[in-house]
Amino acid sequence: AQSVTQLGSHVSVSEGALVLLRCNYSSSVPPYLFWYVQYPNQGLQLLLKYTTGATLVKGINGFEAEFKKSETSFHLTKPSAHMSDAAEYFCAVSDQSGNTPLVFGKGTRLSVIA
Amino acid sequence: NAGVTQTPKFQVLKTGQSMTLQCAQDMNHEYMSWYRQDPGMGLRLIHYSVGAGITDQGEVPNGYNVSRSTTEDFPLRLLSAAPSQTSVYFCASSYTSGRVYEQYFGPGTRLTVT
Repeated sequence: AQSVTQLGSHVSVSEGALVLLRCNYSSSVPPYLFWYVQYPNQGLQLLLKYTTGATLVKGINGFEAEFKKSETSFHLTKPSAHMSDAAEYFCAVSDQSGNTPLVFGKGTRLSVIA
Repeated sequence: NAGVTQTPKFQVLKTGQSMTLQCAQDMNHEYMSWYRQDPGMGLRLIHYSVGAGITDQGEVPNGYNVSRSTTEDFPLRLLSAAPSQTSVYFCASSYTSGRVYEQYFGPGTRLTVT
């Protein structure tokens, strides 16, 4: 069975500071990995995903994530936080068959302080 | 191409009432799923379907029924609503072929059971 652990239910950073949101996964087979963002009272928006190939994945809004198989991690980073980045972020995993549903982490709420 | 649509957007039910949350997609995706989102719990899988006529239970199936008579539609039924089913419900559809994996989420249905 697959699982996702997001370290820190709430992360607070200053505007302009580095954003680092941690995600570790457990999977017995090669995974597909995803980061989603949810702004208040809105739906889910895909930030980026890793399926195969380059382990450093670039997404929208300046975010990127690196798949590290040896560490079973897929941490999300952004060099400089903006006020508009304040939202909830979800890491998710699926297997490479595509026939298993996404398993989500519990989410990390990002606050950005002016 | 409307993507994944969900109706209604909001619903208030009394305990014991029944209702159906509608989900439809126009992308001819075989794979569809239902999630519920609760604060601090992330998204948890209720039921999913890998094609018309095939459904399976997810992590939190109790109190919910599904059927998949067509590729396009995947309704979620609450037979006897309980306050514990107050949540935001998301429907998703996905497509996989080789190394390509695409998942699309609906806008969500916010359900309150009193």
